[in-house]
Amino acid sequence: AQTVTQSQPEMSVQEAETVTLSCTYDTSESDYYLFWYKQPPSRQMILVIRQEAYKQQNATENRFSVNFQKAAKSFSLKISDSQLGDAAMYFCASSNRDDKIIFGKGTRLHILP
Amino acid sequence: KAGVTQTPRYLIKTRGQQVTLSCSPISGHRSVSWYQQTPGQGLQFLFEYFSETQRNKGNFPGRFSGRQFSNSRSEMNVSTLELGDSALYLCASSLAISYRNNEQFFGPGTRLTVL
Repeated sequence: AQTVTQSQPEMSVQEAETVTLSCTYDTSESDYYLFWYKQPPSRQMILVIRQEAYKQQNATENRFSVNFQKAAKSFSLKISDSQLGDAAMYFCASSNRDDKIIFGKGTRLHILP
Repeated sequence: KAGVTQTPRYLIKTRGQQVTLSCSPISGHRSVSWYQQTPGQGLQFLFEYFSETQRNKGNFPGRFSGRQFSNSRSEMNVSTLELGDSALYLCASSLAISYRNNEQFFGPGTRLTVL
């Protein structure tokens, strides 16, 4: 069965610093996608970044980048130059060929001014 | 372009009642998915509809059902409500099936409280 694990329920980072959120996943398939979603206090979830499993190059979106370690089944999110607006719940998720998205339990990120 | 809208935003029901939640996708989007979010279980996939057909279903009891209309609007229904059904119900739409190539856009959710 497909599983996604986020081992850090909460994290804090000083404004302008860099923070890394951890995620591990388990799947028996070779064709899958991985995602990081952000859910701010207003609750509207938005896609932060997406990684295709067959692509070795790590995805990057402005200040957000991932460290995709396929053999270790690890998919961490790095946020550089943290801003107050980055405070949110972050969900790691994966999708296999069946197109169901499985989410981790989430990591609540606090930004300290 | 208007985003995904969900109505109502808040709902209070009592055990045994039934409830219907509504989701209007982004114009042009044909796929609508529903998720249940609780503090204990996190986000769990309920079902997905595409062109009025249920394409995928999560591991929820038959009390949870849904449908999609020809204009892509979707409703989900929960019958015989239980206390454990209290949750934030999120709807998401995408242009087509397969989340890999089509980003999902989420609505603000409906907060259901069962007393």
